[in-house]
Amino acid sequence: EAGVAQSPRYKIIEKRQSVAFWCNPISGHATLYWYQQILGQGPKLLIQFQNNGVVDDSQLPKDRFSAERLKGVDSTLKIQPAKLEDSAVYLCASSLAPAGTTSTDTQYFGPGTRLTVL
Amino acid sequence: GNSVTQMEGPVTLSEEAFLTINCTYTATGYPSLFWYVQYPGEGLQLLLKATKADDKGSNKGFEATYRKETTSFHLEKGSVQVSDSAVYFCALSDRGSTLGRLYFGRGTQLTVWP
Repeated sequence: EAGVAQSPRYKIIEKRQSVAFWCNPISGHATLYWYQQILGQGPKLLIQFQNNGVVDDSQLPKDRFSAERLKGVDSTLKIQPAKLEDSAVYLCASSLAPAGTTSTDTQYFGPGTRLTVL
Repeated sequence: GNSVTQMEGPVTLSEEAFLTINCTYTATGYPSLFWYVQYPGEGLQLLLKATKADDKGSNKGFEATYRKETTSFHLEKGSVQVSDSAVYFCALSDRGSTLGRLYFGRGTQLTVWP
C-alpha cells in the first residue's frame, strides 16, 4: 500500500514570495491533516479536512495561509506572502476515520516538505 | 486545554541499555495517547498507542502504559539498538472530539552508540 506522498521535499524562497505544497493521501482515507513543525518543536495542526470539507482551521493563519482539498483526495497548502517565521517542515497526514467518528484512528504521515524562507 | 510535556533531550545511550522517555499530559477530556517515531529523513510513524487508562501499548520492544492517576505515558525499552536512534514524539488525541487532531510534545532525540 502506497503511503502519503508530498512534494516538493525541499523549498527555499525569499520572504514575501509565495509557495505551494502538495499532498496525496493514502487511497480511501477520508481525513487529511496539515501540520507545521518548527525546528525543535512538535508538529502543530494547521488545518483538517474530512473528505473535501474543512472541519478545523482554527490554527491556520488565514491572512497568508490557504488550503484546499479538491474532490476529497489531493490537497494543496499555500503560503502567500511568506515570512521568515514560516520556515518549518510541513507535514501532511491522513487517516481512515470517516466523518462523525471519534478518532483513535492512526494518522499516517508523509515525509514532509522542508521550507526555508530567506 | 490539551498539551503534552516530554523530557528534554538529547538522550545518548550505549547499545543494550535501558531506555525511558518521560511523557506527561494535560487534557480537557479523556484522551488517547500515542508515541510516534521519526527516523532520519522519514516521516512520523506510529510506534504504539493506548486508548484507555491502564492500557499498555507495545511494539518493537517498546512499551508505554496509560497512567491516568499520574497523567503519564512514559516510553520504555529494555535493550536499545543502534537502529532505534530517532526522534520520539509523545502525542494525545481527545477521544471525546470528532476532530481527531493530535497534540504533540517537543520530541526527544535518542542516539544509541554501538
